[in-house]
Amino acid sequence: AQRVTQPEKLLSVFKGAPVELKCNYSYSGSPELFWYVQYSRQRLQLLLRHISRESIKGFTADLNKGETSFHLKKPFAQEEDSAMYYCALASGTYKYIFGTGTRLKVLA
Amino acid sequence: GAGVSQSPSNKVTEKGKDVELRCDPISGHTALYWYRQSLGQGLEFLIYFQGNSAPDKSGLPSDRFSAERTGGSVSTLTIQRTQQEDSAVYLCASSPEIRVSYEQYFGPGTRLTVT
Repeated sequence: AQRVTQPEKLLSVFKGAPVELKCNYSYSGSPELFWYVQYSRQRLQLLLRHISRESIKGFTADLNKGETSFHLKKPFAQEEDSAMYYCALASGTYKYIFGTGTRLKVLA
Repeated sequence: GAGVSQSPSNKVTEKGKDVELRCDPISGHTALYWYRQSLGQGLEFLIYFQGNSAPDKSGLPSDRFSAERTGGSVSTLTIQRTQQEDSAVYLCASSPEIRVSYEQYFGPGTRLTVT
């Protein structure tokens, strides 16, 4: 079955500390994975996608096919990173499967 | 430019009533998606449109749910005989084409509460 698992509902870190938001997936094909973010009172928006191999706002995510993971990382958390983060798997050509999300709280 | 808009932003309805939720996608976007976000759950895919056509309706939770899109633009999601378990945030998204490599642009959502 196709599935995205985000094991942490809430992750609290202090400002300046490293952050890792975990995402594991189950998919039989070649996966396309994404991270979406929702800041307070804002709409859900794309943060990054694995095929772009990009770093956005200091965040990176590496696809590990052996571990079926796509963890989101940032070396030094900022208070403005506090948000809800969703990992998503592209299933077929049009459909996303989203995880349940992780709320990141960056403490001053 | 204008993003995806949804109306109403909040809807409280009594169990058994019908509701209509509206989505205005970004102009020119041929692909439109509906999702449901229940408390503590991820985003659950409901249906997508390519133009006015909805090739895959398998994500709709029951036959009380239906959706249509007209003129390749506005879409409405209709829930008949609402139940308390229908309470959720309903999100609409659009993208230039039907392809997940394209970014999906989300609306602000409609929070539906069934009492």
